[in-house]
Amino acid sequence: KNEVEQSPQNLTAQEEEFITINCSYSVGISALHWLQQHPGGGIVSLFMLSSGKKKHGRLIATINIQEKHSSLHITASHPRDSAVYICAVRSLGGYQKVTFGTGTKLQVIP
Amino acid sequence: NAGVTQTPKFQVLKTGQSMTLQCAQDMNHNSMYWYRQDPGMGLRLIYYSASEGTTDKGEVPNGYNVSRLNKREFSLRLESAAPSQTSVYFCASPQAYGAHTGELFFGEGSRLTVL
Repeated sequence: KNEVEQSPQNLTAQEEEFITINCSYSVGISALHWLQQHPGGGIVSLFMLSSGKKKHGRLIATINIQEKHSSLHITASHPRDSAVYICAVRSLGGYQKVTFGTGTKLQVIP
Repeated sequence: NAGVTQTPKFQVLKTGQSMTLQCAQDMNHNSMYWYRQDPGMGLRLIYYSASEGTTDKGEVPNGYNVSRLNKREFSLRLESAAPSQTSVYFCASPQAYGAHTGELFFGEGSRLTVL
């Protein structure tokens, strides 16, 4: 079992739909990251969370430390949101190893 | 403010050839990492450098060497490229707040094909 599991793996949505991407992890963590990768492009950090909820524009990220679960929500989705969204967790101690999920590929159709 | 810069963006090699991927960050971060990204897998750590002058193996170090030339630069070398090293390579550097690490900054990636 992977230490970081994302669901769904692929997601197609209509423009303006509310989108949720889930991330579950199995290790103790100091922080969780949500990242965005456009096709053929680099990786951009969206959020870093250690508790609670963060919001940036139409993006909202939440984390439940007790349940080892995080969600990324996109409100009023737009075709430019089409990308791969990657969850990554930073473990406790040492050099704080980062373990990445395999990503959720989102396509938003006009 | 360039952040993390890596070169080259694309490279095609023949089996057995060598090459070096270069990475530089202008954020004065201590730590730098090299990852590879393969279809259907999460990014995997090849090598990391927690500070200038130190390097350590990650999950998949075989076939690679690294050099932390100074605080800014961290290079990844393939001494004898193999088709299994066909991948997209990312350099990354985390922000740090004392003993705690923060946001991750990535380069744009280097797409390497080994024939």
